[in-house]
Amino acid sequence: QQQVKQSPQSLIVQKGGISIINCAYENTAFDYFPWYQQFPGKGPALLIAIRPDVSEKKEGRFTISFNKSAKQFSLHIMDSQPGDSATYFCAATINSGGYQKVTFGIGTKLQVIP
Amino acid sequence: DAMVIQNPRYQVTQFGKPVTLSCSQTLNHNVMYWYQQKSSQAPKLLFHYYDKDFNNEADTPDNFQSRRPNTSFCFLDIRSPGLGDAAMYLCATSRVGAGNSYEQYFGPGTRLTVT
Repeated sequence: QQQVKQSPQSLIVQKGGISIINCAYENTAFDYFPWYQQFPGKGPALLIAIRPDVSEKKEGRFTISFNKSAKQFSLHIMDSQPGDSATYFCAATINSGGYQKVTFGIGTKLQVIP
Repeated sequence: DAMVIQNPRYQVTQFGKPVTLSCSQTLNHNVMYWYQQKSSQAPKLLFHYYDKDFNNEADTPDNFQSRRPNTSFCFLDIRSPGLGDAAMYLCATSRVGAGNSYEQYFGPGTRLTVT
């Protein structure tokens, strides 16, 4: 059962455009929603994260929008650059007995073309 | 810089030949995780250590074992690698305590090839 559904699986955006990746979850016990960026051959790196009591968080060109009632959240990359080309994973976390159990989405491969 | 280090970055082993992957961290985090990531898939948690307490995921095969001799180091042992175990293995750490940090910090991964 895929607890975090992510779409699209691949995305091509022109340089300067807006990249939008959407995620939805079922388990209301999730209490933290990070996005990870992964370049080929590298480990995932935390990009930006949000708690469910906040509707939006912005860090530079990256914004998370969070809709608690709809159980959906999305990543917007403004002014997308070729260097943003990577795989993006949304995730949802439960703090379980002292550790963070992370459920990842399937990932979105973003390609930003010049 | 504080970081999560994995060695080797690339490992080739033969079918059935035991292999050990290494992870070390300078973050002094008390939780260390091992994930398996196959091509074009999300990372899948195998197990984690909370200090010295080992926690296995229910669907992790017995073929996978782990050791954590001290806070800084954690090892992944694959006793009899099969072709299906070829993957990227990711180590991650997090800190649990007062003022919980929810972030997990990932290492660069070890790409395992099984021939």
